[in-house]
Amino acid sequence: IQLTQSPSSLSASVGDRVTITCRASQGISSYLAWYQQKPGKAPKLLIYAASTLLGGVPSRFSGSGSGTDFTLTISSLQPEDFATYYCQQHNSDPRAFGGGTKVEIK
Amino acid sequence: EVQLVESGGGLIQPGGSLRLSCVASGFTVSNTYMVWVRQAPGKGLEWVSVVYSAGSTNYGDSVRGRFTASRDTSKNTLYLELNSLRAEDTAVYYCARSTRDVSGAFDYWGQGTLVTVSS
Repeated sequence: IQLTQSPSSLSASVGDRVTITCRASQGISSYLAWYQQKPGKAPKLLIYAASTLLGGVPSRFSGSGSGTDFTLTISSLQPEDFATYYCQQHNSDPRAFGGGTKVEIK
Repeated sequence: EVQLVESGGGLIQPGGSLRLSCVASGFTVSNTYMVWVRQAPGKGLEWVSVVYSAGSTNYGDSVRGRFTASRDTSKNTLYLELNSLRAEDTAVYYCARSTRDVSGAFDYWGQGTLVTVSS
């Protein structure tokens, strides 16, 4: 299963609403996770099962979708949100990742 | 508290071998799906291998036949043996945990260990 993320990068300002999409090459039901990675750090799980926020993740993050099309939305971008975001299908092995979306400061 | 700590990375010549370790604490690797994920410099995340809770293993196409994953339940440690190393294996290698609590996503990651393959 291949995952295609778009865009590969974006520039946004603090307070902006940001949307990242992830498309799977075949249906994966709701088995889609989102991770945040900052430079030099390990990825951090934000959302699993397409829309379930991990405990402690701010509510400005939300996920939606099922089947092949998924979305990560940050409702109001904060300074600590500038990072690279990856989607991952956790339906079957290999649990592949998307190519990543780098969110940069405008 | 759940923790994963990798070690064993370093500079190795092409064709060489290396063994990475991942010491787990706060849970038991013997009944947990454990994975290795790597990230080449400036690139994305690549799923490398898995040790299933039953102990069997699986590998990504790029490493199958060269890498071997295993675990030592007495030490609560995961291993990745890297053989016939190539320049394209240069990456930070992370171990991570997957549980049913998060529907099979990877909820805890180690800090990573850097493997550099170069002459």
